[in-house]
Amino acid sequence: SYVLTQLASVSVAPGQTARIVCGGRNIGSKGVHWYQQKPRQAPVLVVFEDTDRPSGIPVRFSGSNSGDTATLTISRVEAGDEADYYCQVWDSNTLVFGGGTHLTVL
Amino acid sequence: QVQLVESGGGVVQPGKSLRLSCAASGFTFRSYDMHWVRQAPGKGLEWVGIISFDGSNRYYADSVKGRFTISRDNSENTVSLLMNRLRGEDTAVYYCAKNVASPYKFYMDVWGKGTTVTVSS
Repeated sequence: SYVLTQLASVSVAPGQTARIVCGGRNIGSKGVHWYQQKPRQAPVLVVFEDTDRPSGIPVRFSGSNSGDTATLTISRVEAGDEADYYCQVWDSNTLVFGGGTHLTVL
Repeated sequence: QVQLVESGGGVVQPGKSLRLSCAASGFTFRSYDMHWVRQAPGKGLEWVGIISFDGSNRYYADSVKGRFTISRDNSENTVSLLMNRLRGEDTAVYYCAKNVASPYKFYMDVWGKGTTVTVSS
């Protein structure tokens, strides 16, 4: 079965850039989607199809995907960005989530 | 506005059954595939399964295959999750989520707030 690997945690100071990485075999050939989840809330889609943003998501959120790595980049990080972030793909009739990365804003 | 509201969670003994429901509103329910996703306490998201817009296709995670069944009623705008032979590891918040409109694309653009299932004797 397909596996997505994420670092458990990432820390960044306010105003800096956070990069959250998602690793998978030849993930560049798949569409990758990213969700943000704050404590005691449902997940929210922040990036879809590698690079696109749903309406209402700030332009500070962007994505890329190539080779074996997809990346969610959050520019000019704010305190309100502190959350868990999950990558997701579809593979062989199965939806797969990464294990999630907790973003701490220092 | 687009809304999903789950119900039916609670405490259930191991080996027993429970049915969750999700009521949809604000969109043309019959046109969209629907997912169930769960999250065990302190853990990450785990996909449970998907049902196609017309109910003709269903796929499940290996962890629930043969025990859980997803169904839908397009006349009532509801999707259900029947959980049989429940185990302690099924304890989680269960979310229903709407798949996006694009054909052959599988990710969620709307989520409910979730309902909690606790499997305990």
